[in-house]
Amino acid sequence: AQTVTQSQPEMSVQEAETVTLSCTYDTSESDYYLFWYKQPPSRQMILVIRQEAYKQQNATENRFSVNFQKAAKSFSLKISDSQLGDAAMYFCAYYPPNAGNMLTFGGGTRLMVKP
Amino acid sequence: DGGITQSPKYLFRKEGQNVTLSCEQNLNHDAMYWYRQDPGQGLRLIYYSQIVNDFQKGDIAEGYSVSREKKESFPLTVTSAQKNPTAFYLCASSIGVRTGGEQFFGPGTRLTVL
Repeated sequence: AQTVTQSQPEMSVQEAETVTLSCTYDTSESDYYLFWYKQPPSRQMILVIRQEAYKQQNATENRFSVNFQKAAKSFSLKISDSQLGDAAMYFCAYYPPNAGNMLTFGGGTRLMVKP
Repeated sequence: DGGITQSPKYLFRKEGQNVTLSCEQNLNHDAMYWYRQDPGQGLRLIYYSQIVNDFQKGDIAEGYSVSREKKESFPLTVTSAQKNPTAFYLCASSIGVRTGGEQFFGPGTRLTVL
């Protein structure tokens, strides 16, 4: 079974600074996708960024970027120029399109942004 | 506006009662999903459906049932067999299987057993 681990239950960052959230996963599949989802206090999940395993280039979406290390099975999220609105729970997730078709979430990291 | 709606937002149930949570989407997505979230934890998959009239169990299907009679609708019934149903329930959809990891979520239903 695939597992996704987020080792940082809570993180804090000063407004305008940069923070990195960690995620590791375990799989024997070669074809998969990785995601970061954000859950603000409203509790509605929002997709932040996605990464295809076959792509070596790290994905970026505005202030959000990832560091994908396939061999190490590591997938960290970097948030640059942190804003108060970034405060939320962040979940790393893994999806194998050819093996079970189920999205597996990590336990989450609560990010606090200090003004 | 395209999106996913869930109702009700809050639901209270007495022990021994079945309750049904509604989930509707107008995104024309083939796949739909139900997740359970307990306080301070991640999401766990209850059931998912990749096509009308077909659905599969997720990791924690016991005590729950679903139907998928229409593409737009995927209701979840929490039965009296579910021993600890108090939780936050999220419904999601995706275009299809290949893009199944890219899911769009509804606002959720908070279920409390009295």
